[in-house]
Amino acid sequence: ETGVTQTPRHLVMGMTNKKSLKCEQHLGHNAMYWYKQSAKKPLELMFVYSLEERVENNSVPSRFSPECPNSSHLFLHLHTLQPEDSALYLCASSHGRGYEQYFGPGTRLTVT
Amino acid sequence: GDSVTQMEGPVTLSEEACLTINCTYTATGYPSLFWYVQYPGEGLQLLLKATKADDKGSNKGFEATYRKETTSFHLEKGSVQVSDSAVYFCALSNDNTGNQFYFGTGTSLTVIP
Repeated sequence: ETGVTQTPRHLVMGMTNKKSLKCEQHLGHNAMYWYKQSAKKPLELMFVYSLEERVENNSVPSRFSPECPNSSHLFLHLHTLQPEDSALYLCASSHGRGYEQYFGPGTRLTVT
Repeated sequence: GDSVTQMEGPVTLSEEACLTINCTYTATGYPSLFWYVQYPGEGLQLLLKATKADDKGSNKGFEATYRKETTSFHLEKGSVQVSDSAVYFCALSNDNTGNQFYFGTGTSLTVIP
């Protein structure tokens, strides 16, 4: 595998479910990011991890919980989501903050 | 604060037409500037970048020049193809503001045969 991979690519979950999104980067980068991309809205930065420390959390509801166990892996744990959380969730990584970011293909999440 | 403004879409062009997507920025100091492309059903891909004034980034026939005097980084291509249909995002990063990344809202391009 090369680049940034995300699993699953598609996820449908009920409002009471708990699920996790996984991101893995094979680029030797030190920073990882979660973004939310909704139709007709700008890209929203959710979380930033640098050297496995969370350095940014942009007022994201607590029903989204990130985890970065090492510099290559990033998870987004989801619980009791709302229909408005349906979106494309993109993971990215970079050599460091401010360097160009490399994106995964995204997970298309639908909350029913 | 820092920001990026890009032209509203959608843009529809015929194959082999010329493309310009405008992007202007607001930032202190000397940010780095980027263009990303997102094809349907995929994540964003870095298309090109420029890290200092007067630099020209280029890739796949696309070009953009970092113009500090006009705070612009317009994306251009001389002859578009159907396969260029995608959403294009302008972005900047600035070490003056903690290396945050700022994305524009995206411009959708459709090229018709």
